[in-house]
Amino acid sequence: GQQVMQIPQYQHVQEGEDFTTYCNSSTTLSNIQWYKQRPGGHPVFLIQLVKSGEVKKQKRLTFQFGEAKKNSSLHITATQTTDVGTYFCCPGGYQKVTFGTGTKLQVIP
Amino acid sequence: GAGVSQSPSNKVTEKGKDVELRCDPISGHTALYWYRQRLGQGLEFLIYFQGNSAPDKSGLPSDRFSAERTGESVSTLTIQRTQQEDSAVYLCASSPRSGASGANVLTFGAGSRLTVL
Repeated sequence: GQQVMQIPQYQHVQEGEDFTTYCNSSTTLSNIQWYKQRPGGHPVFLIQLVKSGEVKKQKRLTFQFGEAKKNSSLHITATQTTDVGTYFCCPGGYQKVTFGTGTKLQVIP
Repeated sequence: GAGVSQSPSNKVTEKGKDVELRCDPISGHTALYWYRQRLGQGLEFLIYFQGNSAPDKSGLPSDRFSAERTGESVSTLTIQRTQQEDSAVYLCASSPRSGASGANVLTFGAGSRLTVL
């Protein structure tokens, strides 16, 4: 599997503020997936990015895949308390699937 | 089934006992993964099965851990002589295929929470 690092490890934001988490690899990735794990829950697939420079949106969430396919980001606009959880990136297309360290998001109402 | 099913959902055991955790993947999913997640930590890869190929056991932390899978169906994760550091949530995931660019999305079960006293 490919190793990826995520930053920041933790983020506290006031409700309504924006939030961004970054996923970085030292090598070129085939594709990148993002998962969300709510407190006490299990990871749930959000999206997959495959193409260089790809940008996808899901309501207030914007996902980007870097031009060099070595990094990715997840941006949430105007956070809500329902966004609370840990966001993991995951290099896809490999047999041994390993996850990034995750970014834990806390939203203060 | 409709989703990945894991049992038991909770298991409390005494140090030194053996435990067995079960995972029923989504029907037709050839790839199956086990992960360990300690409290407040990330997802630690344990083992991966792909069809009838030899499993990738590179993530198993010690020889007390073993896993089996019957064909493309049920998998069991066995922990022998449990230790307190084995306390964690054990998550199982399955996907339609693996190693193929573009489509190995994982669906997770709810996990088995293991507490070793």
